[in-house]
Amino acid sequence: QSVLTQPPSASGTPGQRVTISCSGSSSNIAINYVYWYQHLPGTAPKLLIYRTNQRPSGVPDRFSGSKSATSASLAISGLRSEDEGDYYCSAWDDNLRGQVFGGGTKLTVL
Amino acid sequence: EVQLLESGGGLGQPGGSLRLSCVTSGLTFDSYAMTWVRQAPGKGLEWVSAISGSGGSTYYADSVKGRFTISRDNPKNTLFLQMNSLRANDSAVYYCAKGRSAADPMAVLWGQGTLVTVSS
Repeated sequence: QSVLTQPPSASGTPGQRVTISCSGSSSNIAINYVYWYQHLPGTAPKLLIYRTNQRPSGVPDRFSGSKSATSASLAISGLRSEDEGDYYCSAWDDNLRGQVFGGGTKLTVL
Repeated sequence: EVQLLESGGGLGQPGGSLRLSCVTSGLTFDSYAMTWVRQAPGKGLEWVSAISGSGGSTYYADSVKGRFTISRDNPKNTLFLQMNSLRANDSAVYYCAKGRSAADPMAVLWGQGTLVTVSS
């Protein structure tokens, strides 16, 4: 049982916009930054979004993050086949004194 | 270019020990907190432990507290994870990751991982 809650799956067709939700609590998302990672099979996880809505250099502006209260979202616009993979939200939890993750969302590009 | 290279994985016995290492290059190592995250087969990412840049602050998931010890050798740019009292459910790919700053351990860059299998 993950501390943060994500839908197990999401899908879209090329060019579409998809969003992935992430639900937390008052000890994590509500008071700390949210991070999003992309994990493609056989590769190291990659940082997509840090500090809730900031993109590292090299990450396309098709990826965007936001949060409201105890929930966060990752939006991917102009969906591409290479976006297929697993996506994880994460935040620091002040009660647990550790980084917590969502269970992951498997994105399929139809 | 920043590189993180994990090693030390392999087959461990239940109740036994393993020591993971993560050699880094391309960064001022003591300027960054470091983190270990694992992924069990077919499961999601699970945070394991973190350490501040100086090594003075350490953090552990409840699932490993009292069994695992995180440490770092700053002159050698290397992070460690001493894993004792191994259990079958410790089997996973273990990733080391660089934090955002000396005090912020949120993972921003990950290594390729090392596989740990705990089995008799």
